[in-house]
Amino acid sequence: AQSVAQPEDQVNVAEGNPLTVKCTYSVSGNPYLFWYVQYPNRGLQFLLKYITGDNLVKGSYGFEAEFNKSQTSFHLKKPSALVSDSALYFCAVRDPSGYSTLTFGKGTMLLVSP
Amino acid sequence: SQTIHQWPATLVQPVGSPLSLECTVEGTSNPNLYWYRQAAGRGLQLLFYSVGIGQISSEVPQNLSASRPQDRQFILSSKKLLLSDSGFYLCAWSQADSYEQYFGPGTRLTVT
Repeated sequence: AQSVAQPEDQVNVAEGNPLTVKCTYSVSGNPYLFWYVQYPNRGLQFLLKYITGDNLVKGSYGFEAEFNKSQTSFHLKKPSALVSDSALYFCAVRDPSGYSTLTFGKGTMLLVSP
Repeated sequence: SQTIHQWPATLVQPVGSPLSLECTVEGTSNPNLYWYRQAAGRGLQLLFYSVGIGQISSEVPQNLSASRPQDRQFILSSKKLLLSDSGFYLCAWSQADSYEQYFGPGTRLTVT
């Protein structure tokens, strides 16, 4: 079965500094990978996805993610963090069985300090 | 454009009472639909998904059930709520031939 690991419960970064939120995955076949963001008491918002092609994927709000097949990783990055980026971030992998179900990581809280 | 609605936004129910949460999607047809629960510890648990009217797949056996009476309507129900049913319930949809899911605003359920 597929799985996603987000090894950090929380990431702290100062505003203006680069940020990285880590994700590793395990899945049979080609990985379809996603990042979502959740603000307090809100639903999840889609940020970006990797299906195939370029290993560097660009998404919403200036975020990007780097797919690394050899390390089975899909880390989320942003060159310059904003206080408003503070939120809960989820990595997810698609179930290869074909029904578009996703398996989510446990989430990483990003806190950006002014 | 597509939108997804959930109601109610918040709900406080006593143990043993019934539950009905509703989710509707606008602006698309024949979507895949999903119900998730997010407990206090933040992880997302897939409860049910549906690829068509009347077609429901359950991921986790529990006292909850789901129904899809119309193409763009997905209902989560329970006959008797348990304390452990408390959580944040999220509905999501995806295109049948796509991969990313889009989430509704969620329903905060507190069982007392």
